Amino acid sequence: ILNVEQSPQSLHVQEGDSTNFTCSFPSSNFYALHWYRWETAKSPEALFVMTLNGDEKKKGRISATLNTKEGYSYLYIKGSQPEDSATYLCANREAQGGKLIFGQGTELSVKP
Amino acid sequence: DGGITQSPKYLFRKEGQNVTLSCEQNLNHDAMYWYRQDPGQGLRLIYYSQIVNDFQKGDIAEGYSVSREKKESFPLTVTSAQKNPTAFYLCASKGWDSFSFGSGTRLTVV
Repeated sequence: ILNVEQSPQSLHVQEGDSTNFTCSFPSSNFYALHWYRWETAKSPEALFVMTLNGDEKKKGRISATLNTKEGYSYLYIKGSQPEDSATYLCANREAQGGKLIFGQGTELSVKP
Repeated sequence: DGGITQSPKYLFRKEGQNVTLSCEQNLNHDAMYWYRQDPGQGLRLIYYSQIVNDFQKGDIAEGYSVSREKKESFPLTVTSAQKNPTAFYLCASKGWDSFSFGSGTRLTVV
């Protein structure tokens, strides 16, 4: 995988549903993976920075896992709420220049 | 409050005109970045600067220019050579281990 890929592109769930998204990235020369939550007309909000294979991080109802050997990360939202509606971005951070290479995002819509 | 300010939020220009997008930060971050987003695509890197008076091309630098004369400021000029300038532009800066983002400028060229 040369680029960062996210799936699905969009997701529509009911309030209370749990959901998960996938981020795939190049496994060679891994440095760090970032997850962001981005609401329309606002700045992206940092969720997690993950660096170690097997990392699991949690922030309230949101958690993420990391597998650097196979090049993927999962983001989980437990009991989705309407306020979780946003685009979720993952980005692979390169060591040189600290550049973030973004996936295309997963747009989540949670209906009450 | 510390943060990144991009102005304006919406910008309209006529085809063939150069336009400069502003990005200012008061976070004392050394590195700054410009990204572009088109519908259905991820954010793509245009230019970045790791330190004052130095910058590098990103993946889609053609038709753009930047300057980094001050640590706080990293303006992006969209020149008439950019074939499809209509897009959403996002500025970012990097501290020790975290990134901060502006709220973006939507440029429409008519």
